[in-house]
Amino acid sequence: DQQVKQNSPSLSVQEGRISILNCDYTNSMFDYFLWYKKYPAEGPTFLISISSIKDKNEDGRFTVFLNKSAKHLSLHIVPSQPGDSAVYFCAARPTGNQFYFGTGTSLTVIP
Amino acid sequence: DTGVSQDPRHKITKRGQNVTFRCDPISEHNRLYWYRQTLGQGPEFLTYFQNEAQLEKSRLLSDRFSAERPKGSFSTLEIQRTEQGDSAMYLCASSFGLAGVADTQYFGPGTRLTVL
Repeated sequence: DQQVKQNSPSLSVQEGRISILNCDYTNSMFDYFLWYKKYPAEGPTFLISISSIKDKNEDGRFTVFLNKSAKHLSLHIVPSQPGDSAVYFCAARPTGNQFYFGTGTSLTVIP
Repeated sequence: DTGVSQDPRHKITKRGQNVTFRCDPISEHNRLYWYRQTLGQGPEFLTYFQNEAQLEKSRLLSDRFSAERPKGSFSTLEIQRTEQGDSAMYLCASSFGLAGVADTQYFGPGTRLTVL
């Protein structure tokens, strides 16, 4: 049972444009959400997080939006750069410590 | 401190053999997690330690799997009688967590296990 879903396995964007990565979840008990970036042969690297009491969190070029009623979060990258090309995972956690990860979206930023 | 480290990075073994992986977390982190990741999937939670206590185990963790964190620092994950289905990337993550406060997990590079 996949509680966190990333329905787009891949995304291509021109350099300088906005990249929007989406994530849906089913468990209404999730209260903390994170995005990770993963390069081949490396472990996931933390990007940005948001708690359920907020609907937006911004860090430089990265913004995460949370829509609790729709059980949806998204990651916006503006402007996109070639170095952003990687696999992006969203993760969510109910109260407690077990994190649930999506299956990932592979982003390619075209120079 | 250079982050979470894992050893070995790659392990090839024959079916039925035992394997052990090591994870060294970021030094001030009190929490340590093990995940398994297969091709095309996100990391799947296996188990979690707070200091030396193993507090959560996934039902994915069969009785062939055992994890320890004897002194609340490094951790080992052992798989006994390996099966081909155990082939995966095994990821370790650590965090500094306080009760009631959301923590962020930092991942190591992983150990890729291939069972022939």
